[in-house]
Order: sequence, then structure tokens, then C-alpha cells
Amino acid sequence: GEDVEQSLFLSVREGDSSVINCTYTDSSSTYLYWYKQEPGAGLQLLTYIFSNMDMKQDQRLTVLLNKKDKHLSLRIADTQTGDSAIYFCAEEAGSARQLTFGSGTQLTVLP
Amino acid sequence: SAVISQKPSRDICQRGTSLTIQCQVDSQVTMMFWYRQQPGQSLTLIATANQGSEATYESGFVIDKFPISRPNLTFSTLTVSNMSPEDSSIYLCSVGTGPPYEQYFGPGTRLTVT
Repeated sequence: GEDVEQSLFLSVREGDSSVINCTYTDSSSTYLYWYKQEPGAGLQLLTYIFSNMDMKQDQRLTVLLNKKDKHLSLRIADTQTGDSAIYFCAEEAGSARQLTFGSGTQLTVLP
Repeated sequence: SAVISQKPSRDICQRGTSLTIQCQVDSQVTMMFWYRQQPGQSLTLIATANQGSEATYESGFVIDKFPISRPNLTFSTLTVSNMSPEDSSIYLCSVGTGPPYEQYFGPGTRLTVT
């Protein structure tokens, strides 16, 4: 079955770049998503990438997709304290459009 | 995009009772999903609730425990039946839109079973 893996924790200094990594196993993935979850809140869709793309940039966010290695990353430029949250990657495969989530990466931004 | 609301936002329930969670979307969507997020964990899909068809449940989830209704293209309910403390979780609904193919989540319902 599908499996999506992320490292659990990442700490960066304010103003630095953050890179959150994700690996997945389903080669039939069509869309890959990044969500942000702040404490006590729901999931906020940050960005997504279609599987035939290798990069997508949206303001401070850059998504890189290496389909050969089934590796996805989210880079946050100029990380701010407000970026502290849990970041989930998720893959969507098939017409049923169900999402399989990674375990989430807790990003801590230090002043 | 889609704006999703859920009711209630949180509840504390006694063992053996049932709770119905409502999900309302501000636009018509065909695909709607229910997920569970146990404390400190990631999200697990409970079922897919597409309008016009019976809900499809994932392995480990059954209709008797989690009955779902989808009466129209903007609304769905999930009932957590005969609750036990193990059902304490955040329950989230989501919708699939598109193209472009995006998926949005509601704010979640935080359920505590005592």
C-alpha cells in the first residue's frame, strides 16, 4: 500500500530557509500536497504540485518533486516565527482522490 | 477554493453515546471525505462520501460505527456511534475541487469521550 514518510522535527533560525522533506512510495501519485496545521487548528492548504512537474514556486514557498526517487520537498524562504507549525505532505493517487498523509514535521522557528 | 464549516467544534461525550458531526461547504462539490486525527498523530481516512452513492469505508472503519449521510452537494454528516475513549480524536471533513484539483479541510471537531 501507499506509505508517506517525513522526519518528525525541524528547527531553524528566524530568517533562514527551512526545507521539509517527504518520501512516498506510490508511483501512480497524481497530485502531492503540503498542508500546515497550527496548534488547535485545522489543515491549511499551502500548495500542491502535479506529478508531471518538477518544481513549483509560490511566493516564499518552493516545492521540488523528484519523481524518480519519489521525493518531495517544501522550502520556506525567510522563515518567520509565524511559520512554526506542523507541516504534512500528502499524496493523491487514482480517481478516488483519497489522500495518504505523512506523519507531519514539527517546524520550530527560533528567534 | 472552498470554505468549510463543521459543527460542533468540540464536544465532551460519555461512553456509549453517539455524536453527529455536520459538515457544510459554501459551494457544490461532488467529492467529500471524512478523516480522523488521533492525538499527536497524522490523518487517517475514514470514508469517502460522494453525493449520489453509498459511502465507501476504509479498512478498519465500518458503517455501523461511523454512519455517514450525504443528502446534497453541500452537506454531509458523520455519526460516531456507541463511543468509547478510543474514539477521542479530531474529526475533519474535506472536499475535493477542480480543476484545479485542490483539497480543502474543515476546521475539525475535537471529540473527547469520557
